[in-house]
Amino acid sequence: KQEVTQIPAALSVPEGENLVLNCSFTDSAIYNLQWFRQDPGKGLTSLLLIQSSQREQTSGRLNASLDKSSGRSTLYIAASQPGDSATYLCAVRPAFGNAGKSTFGDGTTLTVKP
Amino acid sequence: GAGVSQTPSNKVTEKGKYVELRCDPISGHTALYWYRQSLGQGPEFLIYFQGTGAADDSGLPNDRFFAVRPEGSVSTLKIQRTERGDSAVYLCASSSGLAVGNEQFFGPGTRLTVL
Repeated sequence: KQEVTQIPAALSVPEGENLVLNCSFTDSAIYNLQWFRQDPGKGLTSLLLIQSSQREQTSGRLNASLDKSSGRSTLYIAASQPGDSATYLCAVRPAFGNAGKSTFGDGTTLTVKP
Repeated sequence: GAGVSQTPSNKVTEKGKYVELRCDPISGHTALYWYRQSLGQGPEFLIYFQGTGAADDSGLPNDRFFAVRPEGSVSTLKIQRTERGDSAVYLCASSSGLAVGNEQFFGPGTRLTVL
C-alpha cells in the first residue's frame, strides 16, 4: 500500500527566503506526482505535475523535482512571498493497477512572514 | 471554460438522514474523482469514474456510500443513514483522461456536518 509523507508538517519563514518542501513515498512504481496548494477552506489548486519519466518541472518561482528510485520529490519555492502562505500537498498515482487512485500526503503548512 | 463546481458548499444534516452531493466537472473531462478530507489531513480517495462507469470504488468506506455518473458528466455522491463520523469536506476533481500528463483539477468542496 502506497504511503506518502510530508515533513515538516508546518514551516514558517521570513519573506524573501528560498525554501524546499519535501514529499516521500514508499512505492516507487508511480505514474506521476502532482503538487497542489490549498488555501484555508478552499479546494486544491494544481501547481506542477511531474511524469514518471521526468526529473523536474518548473513554473515561475516553483521548481519540483522527482527521484523515483529514492521515493522523493521536492518543491522549491524561490523568493517566498506572504501570498505563498498555504498548505502544500503532494499526490502520487500508481504505475500499475488503477491509475486513477491517487494517494495524498497530509501536507506542509507554510507561513511566510512579511 | 469554468472549473469544477460542487453543490452545496455546505450541508448540515442530522444523524440518520440521507444526503446527496453534486459535482459538475470541467466540460469534456472524462475522468471524475471523489475524495474526502478531514481536518489537518490530505484528501482520501473514495471513487473515480472513467466516463459513466465507476472504474475504482475501493475507497468507499462502506455500503452507505454510493456514487453515480449516469451521463458521463455530472456526478452525485450519495450517503445513506449518515453518521457523525461522515463529517468532512468532500472534494471532487476531474481530468481530461488518465494519461500520464493529465492533471487533476479540484472543485471547492462540500463541507458536510452531521449533527
